[in-house]
Amino acid sequence: DAKTTQPPSMDCAEGRAANLPCNHSTISGNEYVYWYRQIHSQGPQYIIHGLKNNETNEMASLIITEDRKSSTLILPHATLRDTAVYYCIFPKTSYDKVIFGPGTSLSVIP
Amino acid sequence: GAVVSQHPSRVICKSGTSVKIECRSLDFQATTMFWYRQFPKQSLMLMATSNEGSKATYEQGVEKDKFLINHASLTLSTLTVTSAHPEDSSFYICSARVGSHSSYNSPLHFGNGTRLTVT
Repeated sequence: DAKTTQPPSMDCAEGRAANLPCNHSTISGNEYVYWYRQIHSQGPQYIIHGLKNNETNEMASLIITEDRKSSTLILPHATLRDTAVYYCIFPKTSYDKVIFGPGTSLSVIP
Repeated sequence: GAVVSQHPSRVICKSGTSVKIECRSLDFQATTMFWYRQFPKQSLMLMATSNEGSKATYEQGVEKDKFLINHASLTLSTLTVTSAHPEDSSFYICSARVGSHSSYNSPLHFGNGTRLTVT
């Protein structure tokens, strides 16, 4: 399986930037890094994905290291509604399925 | 954006009965859909990959005769939990990706899940 390593939990003060790290040292050259989040009792929500370059959208920024072995998801101004479990994954090109690890439980604190 | 609708959102059934869960892609066609289950405080576990017009591919340890998957059209996949037992109580989530792209270069879109309780 495509394995990623994320801290099990993190706290962030409301209004501050939340930086969520992910290690994916076995990623191959053409495999994308994806981030999803899951708010309690809902289906996961797609956030962002990238290959080599840093990416930004209306939800977050994704910083990928030059060697592509790790990445950081940045929520620039965390709100209470950003409290969720965040999953970093990289689907393998060799098989068409998406495996989730345990993710990072982010708590945004007032 | 791409929307996946899952129905019902919550179902309670008696032990021994069967339950059908529907997963629809509302504004796009999905060649492939995926079914996951999730127990409390755990991550999503992939159960099977549903392919339109062909048999589903089940993950190791998932009983195909218990969890029947049908993907009869490009917008609908169904999961039927047959002869449900209390240990089947879980949160079931479907997902789909647009068209025939591979998952590695196209994001998945998820339904909001079905909470199944078997009494």
